[in-house]
Amino acid sequence: EAGVTQSPTHLIKTRGQQATLRCSPISGHTSVYWYQQALGLGLQFLLWYDEGEERNRGNFPPRFSGRQFPNYSSELNVNALELEDSALYLCASSLGDRVRLAFFGQGTRLTVV
Amino acid sequence: GESVGLHLPTLSVQEGDNSIINCAYSNSASDYFIWYKQESGKGPQFIIDIRSNMDKRQGQRVTVLLNKTVKHLSLQIAATQPGDSAVYFCAEIFSGGYNKLIFGAGTRLAVHP
Repeated sequence: EAGVTQSPTHLIKTRGQQATLRCSPISGHTSVYWYQQALGLGLQFLLWYDEGEERNRGNFPPRFSGRQFPNYSSELNVNALELEDSALYLCASSLGDRVRLAFFGQGTRLTVV
Repeated sequence: GESVGLHLPTLSVQEGDNSIINCAYSNSASDYFIWYKQESGKGPQFIIDIRSNMDKRQGQRVTVLLNKTVKHLSLQIAATQPGDSAVYFCAEIFSGGYNKLIFGAGTRLAVHP
């Protein structure tokens, strides 16, 4: 069974541009979570989607947004990129809202230059 | 603010020794505590969790201890192997926090032959 898949693996953008990151959850999982892992730091919660709705949001500015599609895949959009947005963005999925049983993908490394 | 911290950023051990990774948490109302292992280039992988009403839980070669009096969590790895080399994160789940994991900054475990 396929795990959580994220694309692209690496993404390089220029400051001010927009980035779109994609996540496909494990089959049957309805919840998708996004986390930011900046270099040398722990994971910071960004967003939680369940059944197509945004359920919770972390302490990030509005230029971080996303959505969940009917097939439960998800996109994370980051507008007006700043250098500090350079990080590993991790997606996780779970069956329903059981986040403690969530599985993580390998992440998208976003570099803003 | 919300935080789950770690005492030691790097831990070096000899192969075959036991490892102990420590973590301090701040939210006494958290429901679950989880340990994750993150290898280079991969997303975090669930190791073991413990519910807040427990003091100890054992898995295969791993034991998690929870001391609610001092808000301290530890992960013990028996007979540490080179494959255990990774960054370890503790995380907590607070049900009133709308289903999000609050991660610490991580401890790097280096196992030497």
